[in-house]
Amino acid sequence: DAGVTQSPTHLIKTRGQQVTLRCSPKSGHDTVSWYQQALGQGPQFIFQYYEEEERQRGNFPDRFSGHQFPNYSSELNVNALLLGDSALYLCASSLEAGGGNEQFFGPGTRLTVL
Amino acid sequence: DAKTTQPPSMDCAEGRAANLPCNHSTISGNEYVYWYRQIHSQGPQYIIHGLKNNETNEMASLIITEDRKSSTLILPHATLRDTAVYYCIVREWNQGGKLIFGQGTELSVKP
Repeated sequence: DAGVTQSPTHLIKTRGQQVTLRCSPKSGHDTVSWYQQALGQGPQFIFQYYEEEERQRGNFPDRFSGHQFPNYSSELNVNALLLGDSALYLCASSLEAGGGNEQFFGPGTRLTVL
Repeated sequence: DAKTTQPPSMDCAEGRAANLPCNHSTISGNEYVYWYRQIHSQGPQYIIHGLKNNETNEMASLIITEDRKSSTLILPHATLRDTAVYYCIVREWNQGGKLIFGQGTELSVKP
């Protein structure tokens, strides 16, 4: 049973560029959440997708957007990259019927903005 | 903001029990206590959760005080592979995907 997978593993971009990160949830899971983790900090919730719609959102600007596909996979898009967007981006999946009470995290995508 | 307070770091000898405390003095009646850990360069991993009764699974035990204002995660026989940052989180049941992480406790298990 494949767990949560994310791609790419690492990414280097320059300021002002746009980036797309991808996530495939654990088999059978229908809900995807995205987190940003700066170095030395705990993960910060960005948003959650369920039934192809954004359901919850943390305190992140509109430059951060996402999408969920019919197969439950998800993308995180960040526009107009800033140096401060450099972080580990984590995807977590869960089952809506389970109340989202056990989140399974992927290994993350390390984004470096130069 | 996180509703929990944890010591920033702890050490534990290999083979001994690791007891990780968490303070959540403002917890409300419908909030559960969750524990996750994050091994270096990996995503967080769910460990255990509970409401008011003590809980045990194959990974750990969770002891919640009677007033629910604090809890302790117990790793009964710590190994070097348990070296990680441990996060204590309070959250309502069925709150969806949002987890509010604090700074966590960095546990170092030493030989």
